[in-house]
Amino acid sequence: DGGITQSPKYLFRKEGQNVTLSCEQNLNHDAMYWYRQDPGQGLRLIYYSQIVNDFQKGDIAEGYSVSREKKESFPLTVTSAQKNPTAFYLCASGEAANTGELFFGEGSRLTVL
Amino acid sequence: SQQGEEDPQALSIQEGENATMNCSYKTSINNLQWYRQNSGRGLVHLILIRSNEREKHSGRLRVTLDTSKKSSSLLITASRAADTASYFCAPRASTLTFGKGTMLLVSP
Repeated sequence: DGGITQSPKYLFRKEGQNVTLSCEQNLNHDAMYWYRQDPGQGLRLIYYSQIVNDFQKGDIAEGYSVSREKKESFPLTVTSAQKNPTAFYLCASGEAANTGELFFGEGSRLTVL
Repeated sequence: SQQGEEDPQALSIQEGENATMNCSYKTSINNLQWYRQNSGRGLVHLILIRSNEREKHSGRLRVTLDTSKKSSSLLITASRAADTASYFCAPRASTLTFGKGTMLLVSP
């Protein structure tokens, strides 16, 4: 089945540890996105990539890093520099920037203890 | 960055009633999209309306767009308990940004 897969669904980490969230899509989409969702805050854009080997910062990129080595994959690393990393992280993909709809994964819930 | 603001923040209705949610935004857009999110899940695309369109229908959904007022509305007719979810509008300029959503509760 075509779709977008995030893993893991739940993740617990200690403070000061880096953690990488996986996002894979088999929809042949050029664009991929990472959003963060906090209660009462809606979704905020962390990073996005419109093409392989290129990505741009979103509104809240500090403390996060990404890579786009393959079209299918857009992993997000939450570094120890992120002051408040506990959140629900959503990955999405779309056919092209500036136009159509996004397809979302089921999310990864990160809890930092 | 461009972001939609949904109103009301929460809406509680009975099955069979209609639900109307509103969205306002601030700058020019290419299109505006509505998404739905069940608790703890990813977002699901509902409908897209282009900046040159005024109204669009999809099943029980009706979306309007008024670019002069920079506003949109989503109407769900004959609501069902399964419509209980959060609904987000997403104005599309260079990227797609989301507001805080409207939490809809439909009681049997």
